[in-house]
Amino acid sequence: QQQVKQSPQSLIVQKGGIPIINCAYENTAFDYFPWYQQFPGKGPALLIAIRPDVSEKKEGRFTISFNKSAKQFSLHIMDSQPGDSATYFCAASRGSARQLTFGSGTQLTVLP
Amino acid sequence: GAGVSQSPSNKVTEKGKDVELRCDPISGHTALYWYRQSLGQGLEFLIYFQGNSAPDKSGLPSDRFSAERTGGSVSTLTIQRTQQEDSAVYLCASSFSVYIQYFGAGTRLSVL
Repeated sequence: QQQVKQSPQSLIVQKGGIPIINCAYENTAFDYFPWYQQFPGKGPALLIAIRPDVSEKKEGRFTISFNKSAKQFSLHIMDSQPGDSATYFCAASRGSARQLTFGSGTQLTVLP
Repeated sequence: GAGVSQSPSNKVTEKGKDVELRCDPISGHTALYWYRQSLGQGLEFLIYFQGNSAPDKSGLPSDRFSAERTGGSVSTLTIQRTQQEDSAVYLCASSFSVYIQYFGAGTRLSVL
């Protein structure tokens, strides 16, 4: 059972564009929603995270938008750069369980 | 060390052999997680250790998989009688806070 659905599978944008990656979850007990960035040959690294009591969180060029009623959240990358080319994973966890349930990943390519 | 360390970085084995994968978490981190990342897929939770509590083994795919954590630090993931479908990148993460997980670079396992 896939509890976190992520789209698109791949995304290509020009430098300066604003890629948007979307995720939807099923389990209403989830209370923590991080995004991880992974470069080839490396482990995922936490990029930004949000709790369901806020609708938006911004850190630098990265913004999470969260819609609790729709059970959806998305990542926006402002002024994207070629160095942002990586695979992005959304994830979710609930309280004491702590283990992360990941989406299937989005491979982002930012063209120079 | 500064981050989560995993060894070996690559492991090639023959079908039916046993393998051991090692994880050295960040010093002081009380929680340790194992995930599996199959080609082009998201991360799949395997097992979670928290302090001296009994581990959460709910993600282990079969009884061929086991893990232990000695002295609350180093962890070993053992796969017995490996199968070709076990081929994947095995990722270890550790955390101190409730939510932020730090990942190692993973062990790429290839079962021939």
